[in-house]
Amino acid sequence: QVTLRESGPALVKPTQTLTLTCTISGFSLSTSGICVTWIRQPPGKALEWLGRIDWDDDKYYSTSLKSRLTISKDTSKNQVVLTMTDMDPVDTATYYCARYRTIKESLDVWGQGTTVTVTS
Amino acid sequence: DIQMTQSPSTLSASVGDRVTITCRASQTIGSWLAWYQQKPGKAPNLLIYKASSLESGVPSRFSGSGSGTEFTLTISSLQPDDFATYYCQPYNNYFWTFGQGTKVEIK
Repeated sequence: QVTLRESGPALVKPTQTLTLTCTISGFSLSTSGICVTWIRQPPGKALEWLGRIDWDDDKYYSTSLKSRLTISKDTSKNQVVLTMTDMDPVDTATYYCARYRTIKESLDVWGQGTTVTVTS
Repeated sequence: DIQMTQSPSTLSASVGDRVTITCRASQTIGSWLAWYQQKPGKAPNLLIYKASSLESGVPSRFSGSGSGTEFTLTISSLQPDDFATYYCQPYNNYFWTFGQGTKVEIK
């Protein structure tokens, strides 16, 4: 069974760095054609794509957030890590990780999401 | 970056209605488009990939069509479980985005 599970702090203070971990099972981060992507959704708003890391370690980031984001993976631990610097209250959102496969050109499995609130 | 314009933003419909949601891309994306359904408090769920391919387990009342810059998601006969928000997403380059979403409400 393919699963993804996000974990990390529920509360962060403004200017702090957020670190979220996506732990995967049922597939490998090194399989060709696989990538893991991060998406967020502020309360009551639309989905926003943040970035992705591919099986070959290529990384792509949202143009508007590129300067604040880093995505990395540890294949041996089956984990993908998102860091976002200089957090602000507008970054309050539910953060999702999801699997992308080239054979379907879509996000076919999503984590349940983790809610992050930025407040002093 | 590609911009996706999804319409309508809200749709009021009754059980049994035929419902159509449209996504327009700012540049041609071939057939590289997916549709997702999201219910309150839940993660999105894949419905359609490559514009018209039905994901396994998704009811056949859902269908997708289109190519290039204009795409549609159709629900042939709306069911109570279908009241949700729907998003489109293009996949033709390295930088992704989502449509603004269409909320399907009970009329």
